[in-house]
Amino acid sequence: GEDVEQSLFLSVREGDSSVINCTYTDSSSTYLYWYKQEPGAGLQLLTYIFSNMDMKQDQRLTVLLNKKDKHLSLRIADTQTGDSAIYFCAEAFSGGYNKLIFGAGTRLAVHP
Amino acid sequence: ETGVTQTPRHLVMGMTNKKSLKCEQHLGHNAMYWYKQSAKKPLELMFVYSLEERVENNSVPSRFSPECPNSSHLFLHLHTLQPEDSALYLCASSQDAGRDAGELFFGEGSRLTVL
Repeated sequence: GEDVEQSLFLSVREGDSSVINCTYTDSSSTYLYWYKQEPGAGLQLLTYIFSNMDMKQDQRLTVLLNKKDKHLSLRIADTQTGDSAIYFCAEAFSGGYNKLIFGAGTRLAVHP
Repeated sequence: ETGVTQTPRHLVMGMTNKKSLKCEQHLGHNAMYWYKQSAKKPLELMFVYSLEERVENNSVPSRFSPECPNSSHLFLHLHTLQPEDSALYLCASSQDAGRDAGELFFGEGSRLTVL
């Protein structure tokens, strides 16, 4: 079935790296996404990776994809207090339309 | 205005009330979505509309009734809700509804509390 799993909480010190992990089930997903939700706001696309890639880097963000294990991770280098938010992993459902299956979100807390 | 706008931002209703949530997108997109966000649970896709036609009804109870009068507006009509329906209801849009159509643009959500 369709299932995306993430741990619910992560706490890091400012300046350290954060790694948020996600597992998914649909091996035919073409794209995998990371969305960010700040307090009181909707979700915003942070980055995505195409399924034929192993890694994608975008400034402080690094996405790693292990298709064999169906594991996706998001690394945030030099984490800042402004990075405090909920991070959602999502996979594109293999059905016929644009259906994204989201995880429950990982709440990242950054402390001094 | 830009993006996806949802009103009201907060709504409190009794179980016998009838209310509606409204979503408007100013992005020229052809697909619109309703998602339900409950604490510590994955986002649940409720409905998908493509060019005003419903293409997905994800086993949602009939007490939730969507309406899409045009490609820019989406409503969620609520009646005889239950306390467990209390959640954040998120509207989203995308360029179209085809598979891998890409990024969803979300509104800020309507926080619903059912007493």
